Amino acid sequence: GNSVTQMEGPVTLSEEAFLTINCTYTATGYPSLFWYVQYPGEGLQLLLKATKADDKGSNKGFEATYRKETTSFHLEKGSVQVSDSAVYFCALSPMDSSYKLIFGSGTRLLVRP
Amino acid sequence: DVKVTQSSRYLVKRTGEKVFLECVQDMDHENMFWYRQDPGLGLRLIYFSYDVKMKEKGDIPEGYSVSREKKERFSLILESASTNQTSMYLCAVAPGYRAFFGQGTRLTVV
Repeated sequence: GNSVTQMEGPVTLSEEAFLTINCTYTATGYPSLFWYVQYPGEGLQLLLKATKADDKGSNKGFEATYRKETTSFHLEKGSVQVSDSAVYFCALSPMDSSYKLIFGSGTRLLVRP
Repeated sequence: DVKVTQSSRYLVKRTGEKVFLECVQDMDHENMFWYRQDPGLGLRLIYFSYDVKMKEKGDIPEGYSVSREKKERFSLILESASTNQTSMYLCAVAPGYRAFFGQGTRLTVV
Protein backbone atom coordinates (compact mmCIF):
# COMPACT_ATOMS: atom_id res chain seq x y z
CA GLY A 1 0.00 0.00 0.00
CA ASN A 2 0.88 3.67 0.07
CA SER A 3 2.70 5.09 3.05
CA VAL A 4 4.97 7.92 4.16
CA THR A 5 7.70 7.69 6.78
CA GLN A 6 9.22 10.75 8.42
CA MET A 7 12.00 11.18 10.88
CA GLU A 8 10.79 11.50 14.44
CA GLY A 9 11.02 14.79 16.20
CA PRO A 10 11.31 17.05 17.85
CA VAL A 11 14.14 18.63 15.93
CA THR A 12 15.73 21.47 17.88
CA LEU A 13 18.03 23.90 16.10
CA SER A 14 19.59 27.27 16.71
CA GLU A 15 18.66 30.15 14.46
CA GLU A 16 20.56 30.14 11.13
CA ALA A 17 21.33 26.43 11.35
CA PHE A 18 20.83 24.07 8.41
CA LEU A 19 17.68 21.97 8.44
CA THR A 20 17.01 18.54 7.01
CA ILE A 21 13.84 16.58 7.69
CA ASN A 22 13.89 13.14 6.11
CA CYS A 23 10.91 11.68 4.30
CA THR A 24 10.63 8.41 2.41
CA TYR A 25 7.59 6.93 0.77
CA THR A 26 6.10 3.71 -0.54
CA ALA A 27 3.78 3.91 -3.51
CA THR A 28 3.17 2.39 -6.89
CA GLY A 29 4.06 4.38 -9.95
CA TYR A 30 4.66 8.09 -9.65
CA PRO A 31 2.77 9.75 -6.84
CA SER A 32 2.79 13.49 -6.26
CA LEU A 33 4.73 14.55 -3.17
CA PHE A 34 4.10 17.40 -0.76
CA TRP A 35 5.31 19.11 2.35
CA TYR A 36 2.66 20.71 4.53
CA VAL A 37 3.38 22.93 7.54
CA GLN A 38 1.27 23.49 10.64
CA TYR A 39 2.06 26.58 12.68
CA PRO A 40 0.90 26.64 16.31
CA GLY A 41 -2.86 26.91 16.61
CA GLU A 42 -3.46 26.69 12.88
CA GLY A 43 -4.48 24.16 10.27
CA LEU A 44 -2.09 22.70 7.74
CA GLN A 45 -0.99 24.68 4.72
CA LEU A 46 0.88 23.59 1.64
CA LEU A 47 4.57 24.48 1.77
CA LEU A 48 5.82 22.94 -1.48
CA LYS A 49 5.15 20.16 -3.95
CA ALA A 50 6.71 18.04 -6.68
CA THR A 51 4.73 16.04 -9.18
CA LYS A 52 7.35 14.03 -11.06
CA ALA A 53 10.77 12.51 -10.58
CA ASP A 54 13.68 14.96 -10.22
CA ASP A 55 11.31 17.89 -9.71
CA LYS A 56 12.42 20.32 -7.03
CA GLY A 57 9.74 22.08 -5.02
CA SER A 58 10.68 25.31 -3.25
CA ASN A 59 9.02 27.98 -1.15
CA LYS A 60 10.06 30.40 1.61
CA GLY A 61 13.66 29.15 1.45
CA PHE A 62 12.62 25.50 1.84
CA GLU A 63 13.44 22.95 -0.85
CA ALA A 64 12.75 19.29 -1.52
CA THR A 65 13.69 17.12 -4.48
CA TYR A 66 11.62 14.16 -5.70
CA ARG A 67 14.07 11.24 -5.79
CA LYS A 68 12.48 8.22 -7.43
CA GLU A 69 15.58 6.04 -7.06
CA THR A 70 15.63 6.43 -3.28
CA THR A 71 11.86 7.05 -2.88
CA SER A 72 12.65 10.15 -0.86
CA PHE A 73 11.53 13.76 -0.59
CA HIS A 74 13.69 15.32 2.12
CA LEU A 75 12.96 18.86 3.24
CA GLU A 76 15.90 21.27 3.54
CA LYS A 77 16.49 24.87 4.46
CA GLY A 78 19.85 26.57 4.57
CA SER A 79 19.21 28.94 7.47
CA VAL A 80 16.23 28.48 9.76
CA GLN A 81 14.48 31.24 11.66
CA VAL A 82 12.54 31.20 14.91
CA SER A 83 9.40 31.76 12.84
CA ASP A 84 9.95 28.38 11.13
CA SER A 85 9.05 26.61 14.36
CA ALA A 86 6.13 24.39 13.39
CA VAL A 87 5.16 20.82 12.63
CA TYR A 88 6.08 19.62 9.13
CA PHE A 89 4.19 16.85 7.37
CA CYS A 90 5.34 14.95 4.34
CA ALA A 91 2.49 13.63 2.19
CA LEU A 92 1.81 11.83 -1.05
CA SER A 93 -1.07 11.70 -3.46
CA PRO A 94 -1.31 8.34 -5.24
CA MET A 95 -1.38 8.15 -9.02
CA ASP A 96 -4.78 6.45 -9.05
CA SER A 97 -6.44 8.71 -6.45
CA SER A 98 -5.17 12.18 -7.09
CA TYR A 99 -7.58 13.78 -4.62
CA LYS A 100 -6.39 11.68 -1.70
CA LEU A 101 -3.52 12.60 0.58
CA ILE A 102 -1.55 10.18 2.73
CA PHE A 103 0.43 11.86 5.49
CA GLY A 104 3.48 11.02 7.48
CA SER A 105 3.43 11.31 11.26
CA GLY A 106 4.81 14.85 11.29
CA THR A 107 8.08 16.31 12.59
CA ARG A 108 8.08 19.11 15.11
CA LEU A 109 10.77 21.73 14.54
CA LEU A 110 11.79 24.09 17.32
CA VAL A 111 14.18 26.90 16.44
CA ARG A 112 15.83 28.70 19.33
CA PRO A 113 17.10 32.29 19.06
CA ASP B 1 -7.52 30.08 -2.08
CA VAL B 2 -10.37 28.24 -0.42
CA LYS B 3 -11.44 29.34 3.05
CA VAL B 4 -12.37 26.41 5.26
CA THR B 5 -14.18 27.15 8.50
CA GLN B 6 -14.74 24.68 11.30
CA SER B 7 -17.52 25.63 13.67
CA SER B 8 -15.64 25.17 16.95
CA ARG B 9 -12.00 25.42 17.99
CA TYR B 10 -12.52 23.57 21.27
CA LEU B 11 -15.23 21.19 22.42
CA VAL B 12 -15.72 19.19 25.59
CA LYS B 13 -18.32 16.43 25.48
CA ARG B 14 -19.39 13.61 27.74
CA THR B 15 -19.06 9.94 26.96
CA GLY B 16 -22.11 8.69 25.08
CA GLU B 17 -23.13 12.07 23.68
CA LYS B 18 -23.82 12.54 20.00
CA VAL B 19 -21.36 15.09 18.65
CA PHE B 20 -21.53 17.14 15.46
CA LEU B 21 -18.47 18.77 13.94
CA GLU B 22 -19.25 21.19 11.15
CA CYS B 23 -17.09 22.30 8.25
CA VAL B 24 -17.95 24.92 5.65
CA GLN B 25 -16.05 26.03 2.54
CA ASP B 26 -16.52 29.35 0.79
CA MET B 27 -16.39 27.91 -2.71
CA ASP B 28 -18.03 25.08 -4.60
CA HIS B 29 -15.49 22.27 -4.60
CA GLU B 30 -16.51 18.65 -4.68
CA ASN B 31 -13.86 16.98 -2.55
CA MET B 32 -14.02 17.40 1.21
CA PHE B 33 -12.29 15.38 3.91
CA TRP B 34 -12.27 14.75 7.63
CA TYR B 35 -9.02 13.77 9.33
CA ARG B 36 -8.05 13.21 12.91
CA GLN B 37 -4.60 14.23 14.11
CA ASP B 38 -2.89 12.44 16.96
CA PRO B 39 0.69 12.81 18.22
CA GLY B 40 3.02 10.35 16.53
CA LEU B 41 0.32 9.18 14.13
CA GLY B 42 0.04 12.18 11.85
CA LEU B 43 -3.24 12.69 10.03
CA ARG B 44 -5.55 9.77 9.45
CA LEU B 45 -8.46 9.94 7.05
CA ILE B 46 -11.86 9.27 8.60
CA TYR B 47 -14.22 9.98 5.69
CA PHE B 48 -14.29 11.91 2.50
CA SER B 49 -17.00 13.15 0.19
CA TYR B 50 -16.74 13.79 -3.53
CA ASP B 51 -20.16 15.36 -4.00
CA VAL B 52 -23.43 16.08 -2.26
CA LYS B 53 -24.75 12.94 -0.56
CA MET B 54 -21.68 11.00 -1.78
CA LYS B 55 -19.21 9.66 0.75
CA GLU B 56 -16.54 7.06 1.17
CA LYS B 57 -14.88 5.59 4.20
CA GLY B 58 -11.31 6.47 4.90
CA ASP B 59 -8.85 4.52 6.99
CA ILE B 60 -10.52 4.85 10.40
CA PRO B 61 -14.31 5.29 9.95
CA GLU B 62 -15.40 3.21 12.96
CA GLY B 63 -17.46 5.22 15.42
CA TYR B 64 -18.03 8.06 12.93
CA SER B 65 -20.49 9.00 10.26
CA VAL B 66 -20.77 11.99 7.93
CA SER B 67 -23.39 14.10 6.24
CA ARG B 68 -23.19 16.24 3.14
CA GLU B 69 -26.55 17.73 2.26
CA LYS B 70 -25.12 20.85 0.61
CA LYS B 71 -21.96 21.19 -1.39
CA GLU B 72 -20.35 23.72 0.91
CA ARG B 73 -20.95 21.87 4.16
CA PHE B 74 -19.52 18.58 5.41
CA SER B 75 -20.39 17.34 8.88
CA LEU B 76 -18.66 14.71 10.98
CA ILE B 77 -20.85 12.89 13.49
CA LEU B 78 -19.73 10.92 16.50
CA GLU B 79 -22.76 8.74 17.17
CA SER B 80 -21.79 7.97 20.77
CA ALA B 81 -18.64 9.75 21.86
CA SER B 82 -15.97 7.75 23.63
CA THR B 83 -12.78 8.83 25.36
CA ASN B 84 -10.64 7.32 22.60
CA GLN B 85 -12.14 9.86 20.23
CA THR B 86 -10.44 12.67 22.09
CA SER B 87 -8.35 14.22 19.36
CA MET B 88 -7.79 17.12 16.97
CA TYR B 89 -10.15 16.96 14.00
CA LEU B 90 -9.23 18.66 10.74
CA CYS B 91 -11.47 19.34 7.79
CA ALA B 92 -9.95 19.80 4.33
CA VAL B 93 -11.11 20.81 0.87
CA ALA B 94 -9.11 19.62 -2.12
CA PRO B 95 -10.04 21.12 -5.45
CA GLY B 96 -7.10 19.29 -7.03
CA TYR B 97 -3.80 18.07 -5.68
CA ARG B 98 -3.65 20.88 -3.14
CA ALA B 99 -5.64 20.65 0.09
CA PHE B 100 -6.88 23.60 2.14
CA PHE B 101 -7.42 22.95 5.82
CA GLY B 102 -9.56 24.44 8.51
CA GLN B 103 -8.03 25.45 11.84
CA GLY B 104 -9.11 22.28 13.52
CA THR B 105 -11.42 21.33 16.36
CA ARG B 106 -9.84 19.98 19.50
CA LEU B 107 -12.39 17.60 20.98
CA THR B 108 -12.11 16.27 24.50
CA VAL B 109 -14.44 13.48 25.57
CA VAL B 110 -14.73 13.08 29.33
